Amino acid sequence: GNSVTQMEGPVTLSEEAFLTINCTYTATGYPSLFWYVQYPGEGLQLLLKATKADDKGSNKGFEATYRKETTSFHLEKGSVQVSDSAVYFCALSDLKSGGSNYKLTFGKGTLLTVNP
Amino acid sequence: EAQVTQNPRYLITVTGKKLTVTCSQNMNHEYMSWYRQDPGLGLRQIYYSMNVEVTDKGDVPEGYKVSRKEKRNFPLILESPSPNQTSLYFCASSFNLAGGPPGELFFGEGSRLTVL
Repeated sequence: GNSVTQMEGPVTLSEEAFLTINCTYTATGYPSLFWYVQYPGEGLQLLLKATKADDKGSNKGFEATYRKETTSFHLEKGSVQVSDSAVYFCALSDLKSGGSNYKLTFGKGTLLTVNP
Repeated sequence: EAQVTQNPRYLITVTGKKLTVTCSQNMNHEYMSWYRQDPGLGLRQIYYSMNVEVTDKGDVPEGYKVSRKEKRNFPLILESPSPNQTSLYFCASSFNLAGGPPGELFFGEGSRLTVL
């Protein structure tokens, strides 16, 4: 079945450092890929998405490119802020033919802590 | 304000005492789903619903029931809770994803359940 593997955390960075969180996936067909973010005490929010190969999703300074050849969707940000401290989840869609069984398959999450 | 509302947010109960976690969305979404979040396991889908009176099992449905009598509500029922159902539960909703690229899942703030 489909699966998502993302780098183990926690990740601790200083403010203005460069961030990469690796995400690779296994899927049949052509899934859409997502990054969700969970701030402390809150539900998950969509951060960015890409629906086909070579698409780049971007939002709030974060970027991720859908790489079919390497089955990857790594999250990057050039300069993190303290407010970026959160848990980040990589996910893929699983929409079977006819739309009868849809779900998101999530990675285990990566805790990011940014220190001033 | 568009939102997914879960209740209760926190609950401590005892083994075998039936409980219901409610979920309501005000966005007229067809699709709704329940996930549980456990440390080291990420989010796993329990049940989902493509529309009113249409529900199906996710990856970890054992010990849970759901119903979808109205479009806005999707309660999660634990008929006889056990300690292994201690977890953080999230309800999510979206427009109908059948036949096209998946859109954004909107999550509630979570319900932390402890079963003693």
